[in-house]
Amino acid sequence: GEDVEQSLFLSVREGDSSVINCTYTDSSSTYLYWYKQEPGAGLQLLTYIFSNMDMKQDQRLTVLLNKKDKHLSLRIADTQTGDSAIYFCAGFSRSNDYKLSFGAGTTVTVRA
Amino acid sequence: DVKVTQSSRYLVKRTGEKVFLECVQDMDHENMFWYRQDPGLGLRLIYFSYDVKMKEKGDIPEGYSVSREKKERFSLILESASTNQTSMYLCASSPVIAAASYEQYFGPGTRLTVT
Repeated sequence: GEDVEQSLFLSVREGDSSVINCTYTDSSSTYLYWYKQEPGAGLQLLTYIFSNMDMKQDQRLTVLLNKKDKHLSLRIADTQTGDSAIYFCAGFSRSNDYKLSFGAGTTVTVRA
Repeated sequence: DVKVTQSSRYLVKRTGEKVFLECVQDMDHENMFWYRQDPGLGLRLIYFSYDVKMKEKGDIPEGYSVSREKKERFSLILESASTNQTSMYLCASSPVIAAASYEQYFGPGTRLTVT
């Protein structure tokens, strides 16, 4: 199956931009996702990008995809305390029997 | 809104007990999944199901079984709970593979402690 890697922790000051990075191994990944998990809750889809796109923007969220380097990033503009959560990168590909492969999750802490 | 519910938020069981975790979705999704979540390891797929009475092993099926007798319900069974099965268990559902985006919808999770 696919390996998805991301750094485990990120600390950011309120109002600054956060950038969470992710690398994946399967070049046939067709969809790449960012999920958010708030304390005590399940995962909630934040955004996703199709593999034929380089960038997707949705309000404060910007997703960048570099297919050559198999690198995905999520930028959160004007980070707020409510953005404190665990963020999971996940990939979806036919070569993995249509299953999602998740990274370990990046814990983002927003400090005042 | 898609709703995925799990029978318990917190569960404490003894070693050797048989444990049932229930998951119900209300969006008529064909696919359902069971994951366990451990710090530093992310989500690992235990079992999934593409249809009623169908099941497929995920990446870590050992020590677990599943049951899908109705489309909306997917149960995870720990035949004889062990302490290394202490974890957060997350259920998810998704529409058929041909649907756009293949998004999975998650329940709130069950935190299981085996003592």
